[in-house]
Amino acid sequence: GAVVSQHPSRVICKSGTSVKIECRSLDFQATTMFWYRQFPKQSLMLMATSNEGSKATYEQGVEKDKFLINHASLTLSTLTVTSAHPEDSSFYICSASHRGQGVNEQFFGPGTRLTVL
Amino acid sequence: GENVEQHPSTLSVQEGDSAVIKCTYSDSASNYFPWYKQELGKGPQLIIDIRSNVGEKKDQRIAVTLNKTAKHFSLHITETQPEDSAVYFCAAAINTGTASKLTFGTGTRLQVML
Repeated sequence: GAVVSQHPSRVICKSGTSVKIECRSLDFQATTMFWYRQFPKQSLMLMATSNEGSKATYEQGVEKDKFLINHASLTLSTLTVTSAHPEDSSFYICSASHRGQGVNEQFFGPGTRLTVL
Repeated sequence: GENVEQHPSTLSVQEGDSAVIKCTYSDSASNYFPWYKQELGKGPQLIIDIRSNVGEKKDQRIAVTLNKTAKHFSLHITETQPEDSAVYFCAAAINTGTASKLTFGTGTRLQVML
C-alpha cells in the first residue's frame, strides 16, 4: 500500500513553454501533498504544501505564479512550471500524506526529471 | 526553523561491515525522525522512522537511535550488502496530528564494496 505515482517520469521542453507534472496517490486518500525540487547531488528542498481543496502554501523564495499547484481531489495534485527556463531544470518529487496511527508519514513518488533547453 | 545536519557526506564500507550515519537537529519540538534511501534517478523510500517517545528502533539489519537531550539520531546498517549502496537522507518534523513538513539532511552517499 501507500503508492504514489508521478507522470511524466521525464520531460524535455523548450525555454518559455509550460510543463505540467501529475502526482497521484494510488491506494489511499492524500489529504496533503508536498512538492520538492532536487538539484544534482543535493538534498530535497520543499517547494510547497498542498491541501486538497485549498490553495497551496509556498516556501520562502518559491514563486507561486511560476510554480502553479492544484490539488483538486484527494488522489491528484499537479505542478505546472510556467514559462520554464534552463535554470528550472531539476528533479521534481511529490509526496503524499495520510493519517496513519496518528502520525502523518510521507510517501514519495518516483520523481520527474525536467530538462529545459 | 528546523536545521538538520548529516554526516558523513560519503561513506565507503566493505561488504558485511556496518555503516553508521549521524544527524543532528536544532528544534527541540521535533518529534518524528524518518530515514530515506534514494537510488539514482528515483524518489526517496522510507526505510525506518522513530518517534520521540522511544530511544531505539530496529528492523532486521537496520536500526535507528535517538538522543533527545543531545538532539541527534543515527542510522545503523549491519551486514551491509551491495544493494545497500545509495544515498541516505535523514529528516526531522514536528508531528501535531496533521501533515507536517520534513526538513531533510544533506544526504550520505553510501558505497558498499565487494
